[in-house]
Amino acid sequence: GDSVTQTEGQVALSEEDFLTIHCNYSASGYPTLFWYVQYPGEGPQLLFRASRDKEKGSSRGFEATYDKGTTSFHLRKASVQESDSAVYYCALSPYTGNYKYVFGAGTRLKVIA
Amino acid sequence: GGIITQTPKFLIGQEGQKLTLKCQQNFNHDTMYWYRQDSGKGLRLIYYSITENDLQKGDLSEGYDASREKKSSFSLTVTSAQKNEMAVFLCASRGFANSDYTFGSGTRLLVI
Repeated sequence: GDSVTQTEGQVALSEEDFLTIHCNYSASGYPTLFWYVQYPGEGPQLLFRASRDKEKGSSRGFEATYDKGTTSFHLRKASVQESDSAVYYCALSPYTGNYKYVFGAGTRLKVIA
Repeated sequence: GGIITQTPKFLIGQEGQKLTLKCQQNFNHDTMYWYRQDSGKGLRLIYYSITENDLQKGDLSEGYDASREKKSSFSLTVTSAQKNEMAVFLCASRGFANSDYTFGSGTRLLVI
């Protein structure tokens, strides 16, 4: 079945560090890929999405490029801030229009000022 | 803009008690979902509903019931609360396949 694997556990960085959270997927065709962010006490909210090979999604300084060749959608940010501390989820919506997303396990980002 | 509202925000129940969580959305979305989020863990699908009166089981449906009597609302019942299921329950909705999910802010369940 379809699956999403992302950087496990917690990532701890200092302010202005470069961030990479890895996301690899397994699915047939061209799934739509998403990054969601969840701040404490809130539900996850969409960061951005991408639907085609080489399409770049971006928002709030975060970006990721859909790469069908490596089946990846890695999240990057050049300079993180303390306010970026949150849990990040990579997810896919299968090409077949299945009603269910497949979520990764989530990666907790802690940025130290 | 629309909103998805979960009630209550906090729910305290006794072990063995039947407890109901509610979710309302005004996006006119067809599909609604219930997820469970355990501390430090990912999202696990409990139930989803493609349209009014439809119910589909997720990976974690045992011990739960769901009800979708109106398009705008989706309820989840914990049939017999257990201490090992203290978690945050998240409701979500989406308008069509491949579109974004919109999540509520969650109901935190505490079982004593």
